[in-house]
Amino acid sequence: NAGVTQTPKFRVLKTGQSMTLLCAQDMNHEYMYWYRQDPGMGLRLIHYSVGEGTTAKGEVPDGYNVSRLKKQNFLLGLESAAPSQTSVYFCASSLNYGYTFGSGTRLTVV
Amino acid sequence: TQLLEQSPQFLSIQEGENLTVYCNSSSVFSSLQWYRQEPGEGPVLLVTVVTGGEVKKLKRLTFQFGDARKDSSLHITAAQPGDTGLYLCAPERGSQGNLIFGKGTKLSVKP
Repeated sequence: NAGVTQTPKFRVLKTGQSMTLLCAQDMNHEYMYWYRQDPGMGLRLIHYSVGEGTTAKGEVPDGYNVSRLKKQNFLLGLESAAPSQTSVYFCASSLNYGYTFGSGTRLTVV
Repeated sequence: TQLLEQSPQFLSIQEGENLTVYCNSSSVFSSLQWYRQEPGEGPVLLVTVVTGGEVKKLKRLTFQFGDARKDSSLHITAAQPGDTGLYLCAPERGSQGNLIFGKGTKLSVKP
């Protein structure tokens, strides 16, 4: 049972480049989330999904897009990366109360 | 905007000591979760508290939800180096049940 898997684990982007972060869960959870974690700021919700085909904005959605075409996958896209998007990104999924997190993607935008 | 504060921000203690960390808010929450995050990993759920005044124990960790459901505490007895990590509280928010996270308490337990 893999839980929540995030790929890639590390990535360096140049300003203006695009990329997609992939999150996959094998627990049949309805809800999925993307957070970013920055020093001194804590975990902040970017986008979330309450089921296949649905997405919604979180606290800091600007500069990001998401898609949930399949229940087990939640993709986070950066269309034109900026240095302010340098962060550690965490995906999580849940069924009821508890969240299960992936191990994160460390993204650096130079 | 609801305020969520965790204290202390940093705590460095010796193995065997006891400690308490706090999570306080100006809002009432339907439930609250505690997570522990180790370096390079995602947060891992420790406990969920739902009822005001509720106390839950997980080995040497004791979690309490305030009577008014605005605050919570985590007490660790006889801390061990394996307890080192970032402790995050996360009260539930909104109809969708999204979690907001505190900034955490970074605990270091030295042998």
